[in-house]
Amino acid sequence: AQSVSQHNHHVILSEAASLELGCNYSYGGTVNLFWYVQYPGQHLQLLLKYFSGDPLVKGIKGFEAEFIKSKFSFNLRKPSVQWSDTAEYFCAVKPRSGTYKYIFGTGTRLKVLA
Amino acid sequence: NAGVTQTPKFRVLKTGQSMTLLCAQDMNHEYMYWYRQDPGMGLRLIHYSVGEGTTAKGEVPDGYNVSRLKKQNFLLGLESAAPSQTSVYFCASSLGTSGVTYNEQFFGPGTRLTVL
Repeated sequence: AQSVSQHNHHVILSEAASLELGCNYSYGGTVNLFWYVQYPGQHLQLLLKYFSGDPLVKGIKGFEAEFIKSKFSFNLRKPSVQWSDTAEYFCAVKPRSGTYKYIFGTGTRLKVLA
Repeated sequence: NAGVTQTPKFRVLKTGQSMTLLCAQDMNHEYMYWYRQDPGMGLRLIHYSVGEGTTAKGEVPDGYNVSRLKKQNFLLGLESAAPSQTSVYFCASSLGTSGVTYNEQFFGPGTRLTVL
């Protein structure tokens, strides 16, 4: 079955620390990849997406992600986090064919200490 | 352009009561989805629709029904609410197929439902 794994469930960082959140998926075909952020009490918002081309994707608020096809990974990074980055982060995968469904990971809760 | 809206924002039900959650989008999107979000479990797909008049089951459809009579609206119904349905419900929409690419989902603000 198709699945998305986010191995870090809770991450605590100090401001200015670097961030990397892991995302691995299991699907052999072509996929579109997404990272969403959910600030406390709010809905999911798109951070960045990858469809094709340059595997290093830049998103909003200084976030970037790298698609490594051989590792089925799409890790999210930010060089220097801020207190306002405290949120839950979801990785999602959308197979290009065979399904209309988006597959979400279970999320990573990030807390940034001021 | 309001995007995706959901009503109500909060609701408390007693076991056995029924209710309908309304999702509306003004982006002319083809696809619409209902998810529930529970702590530690991420988003789980309840039902989805790929066009007006069509619906399909997701991962956790039991106890829920849906209808998509108009393209812009996607209704989620609970016929007989149970405490296990206490959750935050999110609606999402996406443009649909565009060649070989799919656009991202846009999410509504959520409905927090408590079943006593």
